[in-house]
Amino acid sequence: QSVLTQPPSVSAAPGQKVTISCSGSSSNIGNNYVSWYQQLPGTAPKLLIYENNKRPSGIPDRFSASKSGTSATLGITGLQTGDEADYYCGTWDSSLSAGPVFGGGTKLTVL
Amino acid sequence: QVQLQESGPGLVKSSETLSLTCTVSGGSINSYYWSWIRQPPGKGLEWIGYIYYSGSTNYNPSLKSRVTISVDTSKNQFSLKLTSVTAADTAVYYCAREGTVTKKFDYWGQGTLVTVSS
Repeated sequence: QSVLTQPPSVSAAPGQKVTISCSGSSSNIGNNYVSWYQQLPGTAPKLLIYENNKRPSGIPDRFSASKSGTSATLGITGLQTGDEADYYCGTWDSSLSAGPVFGGGTKLTVL
Repeated sequence: QVQLQESGPGLVKSSETLSLTCTVSGGSINSYYWSWIRQPPGKGLEWIGYIYYSGSTNYNPSLKSRVTISVDTSKNQFSLKLTSVTAADTAVYYCAREGTVTKKFDYWGQGTLVTVSS
């Protein structure tokens, strides 16, 4: 059972837009930065978004994210077949032994 | 460009100790948190613990009793030891760099599959 809650799967057609939600609490998302990671099949996770809504160099602006209260959302526009991957949200949890926590992951299928 | 590379046995016997090393190249191990993260087959990511270059550590409470992470700054390496392993510890193990302020994992190793056999 992950600390952060994500939908197991989402799907959309090429060219369309999709959003992935990430729900937490005041001890994690509510008071810490959220990051998003893309994991293509058979590869290591890759940083997609950091500090709630910033994109590292090389990440296209089709990827965006936001945070409100204890939830965060990743948005992907102009879907491409190459976007098929697992997406994870991550943040810091300040309860008990403070440390990083992740969502359970969302598998994106581009139909 | 910072690169991380995991190394260690891919097969460990049940009840024994899993040992992995992460070598950091293209940058200094000084500063940043250096983490171990694992992913059981078909499942999500689980943070195991991190070490700061100074040697201070923080572990996932669910694994704390079995985990030790150490650092060798002279070799730009950090290591993981997980004792008393069981089949539930079978996973791809990643090492990763985490910003101390941004808390982003910006560099990851390619991962190494460790299988626990009975």
